[in-house]
Amino acid sequence: GAGVSQSPSNKVTEKGKDVELRCDPISGHTALYWYRQSLGQGLEFLIYFQGNSAPDKSGLPSDRFSAERTGGSVSTLTIQRTQQEDSAVYLCASSFRQGAVGELFFGEGSRLTVL
Amino acid sequence: KNEVEQSPQNLTAQEGEFITINCSYSVGISALHWLQQHPGGGIVSLFMLSSGKKKHGRLIATINIQEKHSSLHITASHPRDSAVYICAVVGGGADGLTFGKGTHLIIQP
Repeated sequence: GAGVSQSPSNKVTEKGKDVELRCDPISGHTALYWYRQSLGQGLEFLIYFQGNSAPDKSGLPSDRFSAERTGGSVSTLTIQRTQQEDSAVYLCASSFRQGAVGELFFGEGSRLTVL
Repeated sequence: KNEVEQSPQNLTAQEGEFITINCSYSVGISALHWLQQHPGGGIVSLFMLSSGKKKHGRLIATINIQEKHSSLHITASHPRDSAVYICAVVGGGADGLTFGKGTHLIIQP
């Protein structure tokens, strides 16, 4: 597609439910990143994919968070048993070059609210 | 882990002023990004630097690898430049980006 596409744009869920967030990167971009931005806070790195593998998962805050990428394209971030502190905007970015040494293109984000 | 410090945290200036935002980091990097985030809006990449200087329109970004420091300059600032400017670095033991806390810039007409 023309840009990085994320869905859903907004998600409201109850505490304890599982949620899936989707990122469709720019075609041909091999590097894909997930970040989150909590209200009034800065950006926080979650996970980095190069192709289908995730060389850096260091930012995932707990084992309730997982992500996968299939076919070197679409990625899904899954949060199990959501907690209120998971409320944030989850952002995806892609890049043509490995290791974020190329220009980054960001999606509009998925706003997650956990009640 | 890389520590990224931005200054100032908040900056209010008058239209037309020359703006400088600074970013310092603690560990050697492979690249540095300057990002712009408008209120309620998405994030746009302004520059990616690994050395030297880049210019795009009224925006100039410089990096000094030895001093572990980068600056973002805005010439002839305009109210539409009002946004949060974020410095992010690549490297220092991680493939993902490490972000500064951002500089909230307001340009008053």
